[in-house]
This record gives sequence, C-alpha cells and structure tokens, in this order.
Amino acid sequence: ETGVTQTPRHLVMGMTNKKSLKCEQHLGHNAMYWYKQSAKKPLELMFVYSLEERVENNSVPSRFSPECPNSSHLFLHLHTLQPEDSALYLCASSHRPNEQFFGPGTRLTVL
Amino acid sequence: AQKITQTQPGMFVQEKEAVTLDCTYDTSDPSYGLFWYKQPSSGEMIFLIYQGSYDQQNATEGRYSLNFQKARKSANLVISASQLGDSAMYFCAMREVDSWGKFQFGAGTQVVVTP
Repeated sequence: ETGVTQTPRHLVMGMTNKKSLKCEQHLGHNAMYWYKQSAKKPLELMFVYSLEERVENNSVPSRFSPECPNSSHLFLHLHTLQPEDSALYLCASSHRPNEQFFGPGTRLTVL
Repeated sequence: AQKITQTQPGMFVQEKEAVTLDCTYDTSDPSYGLFWYKQPSSGEMIFLIYQGSYDQQNATEGRYSLNFQKARKSANLVISASQLGDSAMYFCAMREVDSWGKFQFGAGTQVVVTP
C-alpha cells in the first residue's frame, strides 16, 4: 500500500492553461519531493521541501511553482507550459536518508 | 555530471532464472546510500532495496540482493528466481546523505521476463 497519493493521475492541458498537481502523504514524513520523468531520460529532481521549507530548486523554469502548505501536502502549480514539459511527474516523501517513497505519478500532456 | 550509470538499457531473462542488473556510481562523499527501484508500466516507483555506504554486509530483501563493491563503486542488483511480474524498468539511485537534494537516478534497465 502506498502512503503517497497524487491527483490527478492524468492531465491534458493547453499551453495557456493553469493547472495544479497535488501530492499527499500519510506516512508522517518530513520531506517531500517533485521529480520529472521524461521519456528516455533519468528522473530529474525538481524541488525538495524539508519541514515545509524549500531546500532545493534544481534550476526549474518559473512556469513550475511548488507549494508546501504543510508536511502532508505538496502542490505543483503549472502555467504557460510548453509541449516539452509533457512527462510523468512523480512526488515522493521521506523521513530518513535511507528511504524515499513515491506516489503513482501524474502523466501530463501539454498540447 | 551523471553520477549513476546503468549500462544495460534492456535485458531478457527466462522465468525462474536469476538476473544481475549493473549499476556504477560516482561520489566523493564518504557517506551515501544506494537504492534500487522498480517501475512497472503503471508508472509507480516501488522501492526494492537499500545499501548504506558503511554497511558491512550486502543488503538482501527477499528475492532481491545488492552486490555492493565499494572499491569498484558498483551496486549491482540480483533478482533470483525471476517471475513474470518482475518485468519492469529498474532504476539505481544514490543519495549523498548530507544533502536533501542530491538524490540522483540512473537511466534505468528494462527487464522483460519470458515464460
């Protein structure tokens, strides 16, 4: 059973739309992550939040805006995306260095 | 620079056979962790096994074992007695423990188990 949920599971949006991805963890973890997984590329870490503070922002374009209102929820706000942003977006959470649990992902298609 | 290298893009293995997936890594940190994840076609990343850099013994979890050779900086995954449900993409990852952000993944190896 995964303790990390993501909604929606699939999203199709136009380049002028604004949408948000949601991640929720029920594991009592204190760190949450957003990853991007494009075809034929390794997972790319986008953002890390520890105790609701952003601790890592890996040169992600400003059209991606994360929000972590509390330790259980993480959002990724999307606006004016490009077709190359189409990918699987994975959320993960952890409490200790030797673990990281992933959600099922949101498959995003930008038209 | 890519710190995790998985040289096998794809592998076929027969059911009930063992398979070894290669992973080499690069770090100058003395403290780090190595992970293997399985990603079926559904997309979810499933944690399989973890090896800490200071662990004296190779990690094992059921049919999964990690062949950790620290001096060679390799962390190969061995899946014994393969099952059809093992068909998936397998990713090696490393976390340099002192940094929340340094969690890097390899390109993955696609495993197909045949009857």
